[in-house]
Amino acid sequence: EVLLQQSGAELVRPGSSVKISCKASGYTFTDYYMHWVKQRPEQGLVWIGRINPANGNTVYAEKFKSKATLTADKSSNTAYMQLSSLTSEDTATYFCTRSRYFDFWGPGTMVTVSS
Amino acid sequence: DIQMTQSPSVLSASVGDRVTLNCKASQNINKYLNWYQQKLGEAPKLLIYNTNNLQTGIPSRFSGSGSGTDYTLTISSLQPEDVATYFCFQHNSWPYTFGAGTKLELK
Repeated sequence: EVLLQQSGAELVRPGSSVKISCKASGYTFTDYYMHWVKQRPEQGLVWIGRINPANGNTVYAEKFKSKATLTADKSSNTAYMQLSSLTSEDTATYFCTRSRYFDFWGPGTMVTVSS
Repeated sequence: DIQMTQSPSVLSASVGDRVTLNCKASQNINKYLNWYQQKLGEAPKLLIYNTNNLQTGIPSRFSGSGSGTDYTLTISSLQPEDVATYFCFQHNSWPYTFGAGTKLELK
C-alpha cells in the first residue's frame, strides 16, 4: 500500500524558516517524482514544485523559487520542503503528492505563521 | 502560465441527477488534464487522469472528456458521498496549474 506520511503541524514566527517532511512507503521511492502543493484556508490548490528523488533534480513554480527548497533522502525514503522568510501569506496546508498524476497524497501539514 | 477556469463555481443538484462540471484552459493542454475530488479536511483524491482515464478504485459513474482547451467531468448519477469540491489540473507545461474548483452541493 502506497503511503505518504507527513510531519505534524507547525506554528512558526514571521521571518523564520520551517522544514516539513514526507516519508514514502509501499513503492520504490526513486521511481516517482514527488510534488508539493499549497492550499490556503478556504482557497484552491497551488503547485509549488517537484523533485526527482533519484538524482535530486528540482523544478519550481516561479513564485516559489526563493521561498521553497525541495530535497530528498533516498536512504530514508523521505522528501523535504523548507520554506524560508515566512510571512502570513505562507499560512497554509502543504501536501506532498506522488508523480505527475498526483495519484497519492499525504494528509497535509498545516503551517501557521504568527507572532 | 496556463490559466484554468472552472464553471460553475457552485453547483446544487439532487441525488440521481446527471452532473457536468466544466474546465477551460487558456491554451491547448493536449489532454493532460486531471480531475480531483476534495472533501472537507481531506487531501484531494485523483478521479480522472489524462482527460478520460478512470483512476483505480473510482466508481464508474465518474467520467471525463474533452480536448484542446475544453474539458468536462460528468457524474452520471449523483450520490450523497459525491458532495465535495472538484478541481481540474493541467500537467501539460510548467508551472502546473489548478482550477479554482467547483463546489458540489446537494439540493
